[in-house]
Amino acid sequence: EVQLVESGGGLVQPGRSLRLSCAASGFTFDDYAMHWVRQAPGKGLEWVSGISWNSGSIGYADSVKGRFTISRDNAKNSLYLQMNSLRAEDTALYYCAKTTVPHGDYYYYYMDVWGKGTTVTVSS
Amino acid sequence: NFMLTQPHSVSESPGKTVTISCTRSSGSIASNYVQWYQQRPGSSPTTVIYEDNQRPSGVPDRFSGSIDSSSNSASLTISGLKTEDEADYYCQSYDSSNRVVFGGGTKLTVL
Repeated sequence: EVQLVESGGGLVQPGRSLRLSCAASGFTFDDYAMHWVRQAPGKGLEWVSGISWNSGSIGYADSVKGRFTISRDNAKNSLYLQMNSLRAEDTALYYCAKTTVPHGDYYYYYMDVWGKGTTVTVSS
Repeated sequence: NFMLTQPHSVSESPGKTVTISCTRSSGSIASNYVQWYQQRPGSSPTTVIYEDNQRPSGVPDRFSGSIDSSSNSASLTISGLKTEDEADYYCQSYDSSNRVVFGGGTKLTVL
């Protein structure tokens, strides 16, 4: 069974850092581009960042560029999101999502598998 | 950069047909594929349409997608509405800087 399990969320003070992880199983992780997508309470989906299968291509939303860093460890079947200088507006449920085509661009192909998400709350 | 604008909510009766629009603010809607995701309350999103009008396996043919260059919009049409179709629906594309763009979402009520 293809599965994505996010972890690392929690309550953090504004200005602090947090690192999210996404453990992948049931597919050949290093073949697929991956994404982080977030959803603030009661709000819509917001794309955060995407990374190609070999980390050669990476993109960020303007709202997080310069503060967040996406990375992956294909040997560990894991995706990460390092979040620095956190703000109240970063409070959200953070989803990890897989793209559908092997070795495809992260932005071009749709997201076919999503995790259940991990909650990040930024508050003093 | 562009935005994808969706109606905040739509409602229709079971058995009827509903169409949800997704209008691109600048640039051609035909330039980049549009996907549609369904998110039921308390659940993660799932794909119902990809590449403008393609259905993933397992998605019933009651779901269809299209694009209209004259209105610069994409549409998701659901026919034979069922109560289980009640959900939030999001369109998605990407821009020239390779950033993924989501629409604001449409809440579908089947009453």
